[in-house]
Amino acid sequence: AQTVTQSQPEMSVQEAETVTLSCTYDTSESDYYLFWYKQPPSRQMILVIRQEAYKQQNATENRFSVNFQKAAKSFSLKISDSQLGDAAMYFCALGVETSGSRLTFGEGTQLTVNP
Amino acid sequence: DAGVIQSPRHEVTEMGQEVTLRCKPISGHNSLFWYRQTMMRGLELLIYFNNNVPIDDSGMPEDRFSAKMPNASFSTLKIQPSEPRDSAVYFCASTLTDRISGKQFFGPGTRLTVL
Repeated sequence: AQTVTQSQPEMSVQEAETVTLSCTYDTSESDYYLFWYKQPPSRQMILVIRQEAYKQQNATENRFSVNFQKAAKSFSLKISDSQLGDAAMYFCALGVETSGSRLTFGEGTQLTVNP
Repeated sequence: DAGVIQSPRHEVTEMGQEVTLRCKPISGHNSLFWYRQTMMRGLELLIYFNNNVPIDDSGMPEDRFSAKMPNASFSTLKIQPSEPRDSAVYFCASTLTDRISGKQFFGPGTRLTVL
């Protein structure tokens, strides 16, 4: 079975500053993917970034980057130059190839961006 | 691209009534997922289809829930009879491939309230 844990229910950051959201996971599989999804108040789930477990290089998407520590089973999301539009619930998710396309989600972290 | 379309966006019904949620995946996508989001349980996968065939329905809570995908462009999630504990936001998502590497695109969700 797969588990995903987000230990920070809430985080806040000042506009233009950097914030890191934490995520740990557990799986016995070697072939898996990790994702961060954003859910703004509109409740639309939006894919922010994706990391393949077999890649050592950390994924980046503009102001969003991850710190993937495979041995520690840690997958944190760093948001640089935070903007008001980044305010949302962020979910970490794990997908294991042997489980088909199913994703296991963490509990979520509510990010507030202060002007 | 219209994205994943769900209807209705909001549904309020009384306990015991039948509820049908609808989803139109992105054209060309061959995998479709139904998720449920609640405060208590977070995001849970209920069922997913690949090429219109149900692959994993282990997340369906009980026999009151059923899902169908009669063709590649339409799916339904039915609850009969509905109960107050079914109140949640139900998401539909689709992806181009049945492999976990495929990015899942979510619809806007249906907020269901059962009185």
